[in-house]
Amino acid sequence: AQSVTQLDSHVSVSEGTPVLLRCNYSSSYSPSLFWYVQHPNKGLQLLLKYTSAATLVKGINGFEAEFKKSETSFHLTKPSAHMSDAAEYFCVVSDNYGQNFVFGPGTRLSVLP
Amino acid sequence: DGGITQSPKYLFRKEGQNVTLSCEQNLNHDAMYWYRQDPGQGLRLIYYSQIVNDFQKGDIAEGYSVSREKKESFPLTVTSAQKNPTAFYLCASSIGTANYGYTFGSGTRLTVV
Repeated sequence: AQSVTQLDSHVSVSEGTPVLLRCNYSSSYSPSLFWYVQHPNKGLQLLLKYTSAATLVKGINGFEAEFKKSETSFHLTKPSAHMSDAAEYFCVVSDNYGQNFVFGPGTRLSVLP
Repeated sequence: DGGITQSPKYLFRKEGQNVTLSCEQNLNHDAMYWYRQDPGQGLRLIYYSQIVNDFQKGDIAEGYSVSREKKESFPLTVTSAQKNPTAFYLCASSIGTANYGYTFGSGTRLTVV
């Protein structure tokens, strides 16, 4: 069965500094991995996805994530945080057949001026 | 523009009442999903439907019911049997399996009064 661990429930960074949101997964199959962002009282928006192509995935708004199979990790990064990045971020794993889609508990990102 | 529309945005229910949350998509997606989100928790799957006239229970289906009579529509009924219905409800769709990623609606916040 798949599972997702997001190691930090809350991350706080200053505007202009790098962002690192950590995600580790467990999967019996070759997983597809996703990062979604949710602003308050809004739906979730897809940031990026990994589906067994390039291990470094670039997404929207300057975010990227690297799939590391040996570490079972899919950490989300951004070189320079912007105030508008403040939101909840979810790491998601899907099995190879797309029948099982598991959300992590989320990491709340705060960006300080 | 294609997308998913959830209505209403806010819904108040008296104890003992059934209420129905609407979810409509014009993306021509085959699969649709309902998730429940509680504060500080990830998303939990209520029901999903891969094709018209077929749907499957998710992890927390008790107290909920759905129908899928049309490809575009996947309404969720929260019945009086659901003991703790106050939550944020998100509808999503995908073109096929979850490997393609989901498109989410903007959510309905249900409060029991």
